Amino acid sequence: GEQVEQLPSSLIVQEGASVLINCSYTDSASVYFPWYKQEPGKRLQFIIDIRSNMERKQNQRLTLLFDKKTKHLSLHITATQPGDSAIYFCSATSSGSWQLIFGSGTQLTVMP
Amino acid sequence: VTLLEQNPRWRLVPRGQAVNLRCILKNSQYPWMSWYQQDLQKQLQWLFTLRSPGDKEVKSLPGADYLATRVTDTELRLQVANMSQGRTLYCTCSALATGGQDTQYFGPGTRLLVL
Repeated sequence: GEQVEQLPSSLIVQEGASVLINCSYTDSASVYFPWYKQEPGKRLQFIIDIRSNMERKQNQRLTLLFDKKTKHLSLHITATQPGDSAIYFCSATSSGSWQLIFGSGTQLTVMP
Repeated sequence: VTLLEQNPRWRLVPRGQAVNLRCILKNSQYPWMSWYQQDLQKQLQWLFTLRSPGDKEVKSLPGADYLATRVTDTELRLQVANMSQGRTLYCTCSALATGGQDTQYFGPGTRLLVL
């Protein structure tokens, strides 16, 4: 079955810095890749997604890049703020499936 | 507007007891409801997806047994039993508008601690 690997497991940066979170997946049948953010004690919050027929998607300070050939995604967050501190999860799902396969998460800490 | 509510939000579970969790959907336009579990290391794992009232599924995983029931169009339940002593588990439900590639929204979760 699908496996999703996410790196790094943690990041600590100063406010204003940019960060990059990487994910790779194994199943070429995966076609949809949503990302979520989880703050301590709070629900998973959808932040951005991309489909396999796209290469790039941007939402304000978030840019998501997708490489179908290498089965790799990367989330770029610019101008980080302390409020961005959270665990970020990438996930993958195949066509017609409702099951999300999650990466192991990246704990981002933005220091003021 | 919150799409999903869960109760209880947390529970101390005496060893050997089962616990029943509820997930309430506030918008019936998201009929595909699922349960996920998250361990202390924050790893998320899909458990079940149930679409129609009356649907039921069971699953046994290391550390707990699960029974999911779609009670109504707006209520999903999860019974968690035989949890390992000392275990902490976080169960969250989700809702999806279609059966395929679309944004899946999550509930606030229930935290379980086995005594």
